[in-house]
Amino acid sequence: KAGVTQTPRYLIKTRGQQVTLSCSPISGHRSVSWYQQTPGQGLQFLFEYFSETQRNKGNFPGRFSGRQFSNSRSEMNVSTLELGDSALYLCASSGTGQANYGYTFGSGTRLTVV
Amino acid sequence: TQLLEQSPQFLSIQEGENLTVYCNSSSVFSSLQWYRQEPGEGPVLLVTVVTGGEVKKLKRLTFQFGDARKDSSLHITAAQPGDTGLYLCAGGEYGNKLVFGAGTILRVKS
Repeated sequence: KAGVTQTPRYLIKTRGQQVTLSCSPISGHRSVSWYQQTPGQGLQFLFEYFSETQRNKGNFPGRFSGRQFSNSRSEMNVSTLELGDSALYLCASSGTGQANYGYTFGSGTRLTVV
Repeated sequence: TQLLEQSPQFLSIQEGENLTVYCNSSSVFSSLQWYRQEPGEGPVLLVTVVTGGEVKKLKRLTFQFGDARKDSSLHITAAQPGDTGLYLCAGGEYGNKLVFGAGTILRVKS
């Protein structure tokens, strides 16, 4: 079955702009989590959605937001981009949404803010 | 937020050598997972351990969860160039998020 699809793969934006990233989970999976990966901080949890509801949120500013649609596809939005937002943004899909069972990650969206 | 310390940060070895990567915390986790990530790709789940003292084997890889569920290790026997990558441990917090270690970059030279 198809894996987790993230679009776009690469993105270059200017400081102050906003960006929307998309994630399509594995068919049938209702949980989608988002992570930010940087060389300095590693993988940091952003938020998790399950059946269109945000169930958990990490320690990121309000400029980072997300949503999930009825078909489980998810989007995350970053407004007023800063240079420090440059990172690999990863989406993870899970059937149960329980961390104990592991996640399937997409290939990520590489965001560069200039 | 719980923290996971992973060591070593970087490992460069010859093909055929054995190695162990450690993942330690002062906190208890409900589960411990190991992922492998290659450049430009997302992490790929290798194994999940949930019971204290649990040992799982995946071909040449052996994973162990500490009795107190605060630490884990990954041992690779007879490493091969195809094992090269970033190895990440991740602890499952009660709830639905993972706490990741900083990762170990493994390079296996032929």
